[in-house]
Amino acid sequence: AQTVTQSQPEMSVQEAETVTLSCTYDTSESDYYLFWYKQPPSRQMILVIRQEAYKQQNATENRFSVNFQKAAKSFSLKISDSQLGDAAMYFCAYRSAGAGRRALTFGSGTRLQVQP
Amino acid sequence: EAQVTQNPRYLITVTGKKLTVTCSQNMNHEYMSWYRQDPGLGLRQIYYSMNVEVTDKGDVPEGYKVSRKEKRNFPLILESPSPNQTSLYFCASSLSGARYGYTFGSGTRLTVV
Repeated sequence: AQTVTQSQPEMSVQEAETVTLSCTYDTSESDYYLFWYKQPPSRQMILVIRQEAYKQQNATENRFSVNFQKAAKSFSLKISDSQLGDAAMYFCAYRSAGAGRRALTFGSGTRLQVQP
Repeated sequence: EAQVTQNPRYLITVTGKKLTVTCSQNMNHEYMSWYRQDPGLGLRQIYYSMNVEVTDKGDVPEGYKVSRKEKRNFPLILESPSPNQTSLYFCASSLSGARYGYTFGSGTRLTVV
């Protein structure tokens, strides 16, 4: 079974600065997808970014980018020019590309605080 | 607007009183799933459905039931709720391909006393 580990329960960043959230995963599969979700105080789960394992190029969405290291099974999220609205819980998630239940397997989350 | 609608948003109930949390999606998604979120544990899958009349257990199915009689609806049933089922519950849906992330409902905060 796959596992996802987020080793930073809490992080803090100054407004306009850059922060990196860490995520590692364990799998024996070669084809899968990785996601970062944001959960603000409203508790809505919002998809931030997605990475396909067979693509070497790191995904980017505006101020959000990932550093995907397949051999190291690492998938970190970088937030540039942090804004107050970025304060939230962030979850890393894994989804197998194979047949079967294709559950999203989540890490335990990192709470990001943004200081003005 | 494409969305997953979950109700109720908040629910307080007593031990043993059967309850149903409803979930409906308007995106014609084949795949639907229920998760529970607990502090320090992230989100864990309870049940999922690959299509109408096709459901199966996730990682933490004990004490829950589901049904999928229509493509758009996927209710979660707690026949005899217990305090350890106090949690934040999310319904989610997606197209059947694994490349798609889930679209989540807005969550149901359940407290069992």
